[in-house]
Amino acid sequence: GQQLNQSPQSMFIQEGEDVSMNCTSSSIFNTWLWYKQEPGEGPVLLIALYKAGELTSNGRLTAQFGITRKDSFLNISASIPSDVGIYFCGGTSYDKVIFGPGTSLSVIP
Amino acid sequence: GAGVSQSPSNKVTEKGKDVELRCDPISGHTALYWYRQSLGQGLEFLIYFQGNSAPDKSGLPSDRFSAERTGGSVSTLTIQRTQQEDSAVYLCASSPRTSGYTGELFFGEGSRLTVL
Repeated sequence: GQQLNQSPQSMFIQEGEDVSMNCTSSSIFNTWLWYKQEPGEGPVLLIALYKAGELTSNGRLTAQFGITRKDSFLNISASIPSDVGIYFCGGTSYDKVIFGPGTSLSVIP
Repeated sequence: GAGVSQSPSNKVTEKGKDVELRCDPISGHTALYWYRQSLGQGLEFLIYFQGNSAPDKSGLPSDRFSAERTGGSVSTLTIQRTQQEDSAVYLCASSPRTSGYTGELFFGEGSRLTVL
């Protein structure tokens, strides 16, 4: 079936540093999504990308939809402690979202 | 409330018992999804409802798992004869339309199931 891979699996960074994480797939997706899950909560949508090559920003977050439609990246600039959580990429397939395994982010104050 | 509501938030059961997990979606959302998140793992798709029908049940791991939705609203996920490998957080999400269009899902906080 369709699978997404995320890297890195986990990150420990200093507050103020920039962060970059990737998502790749062997299949083409028409929509790429980035969700964040904080401890004890459900995931929340951060950014949605609908067009190959699209670059979208949401505050300190920037994400891009790869030209091949098989990858996406998410960058977080000037990280702060509340950025801690698990970041999931997702792609839409028919009427559901397929998620990657997540990147766990820890921010050291 | 305004968000997706799930109950119970925590459930501990003995192996072999049946459990029911409930999801109350955002009012007016026609699409409803169940995902499973095992410890340290990603979000595994289980089943999707559009209204009361389930066009995609492909993610249900075995015939011990079933789900229904009534009145286009509340959904129940039932796990029969629970096994230890069923231990996970079961997340419900709703969407105003099928997620194939926007991918925007609104998740509940999940039901944490522990099978002893």
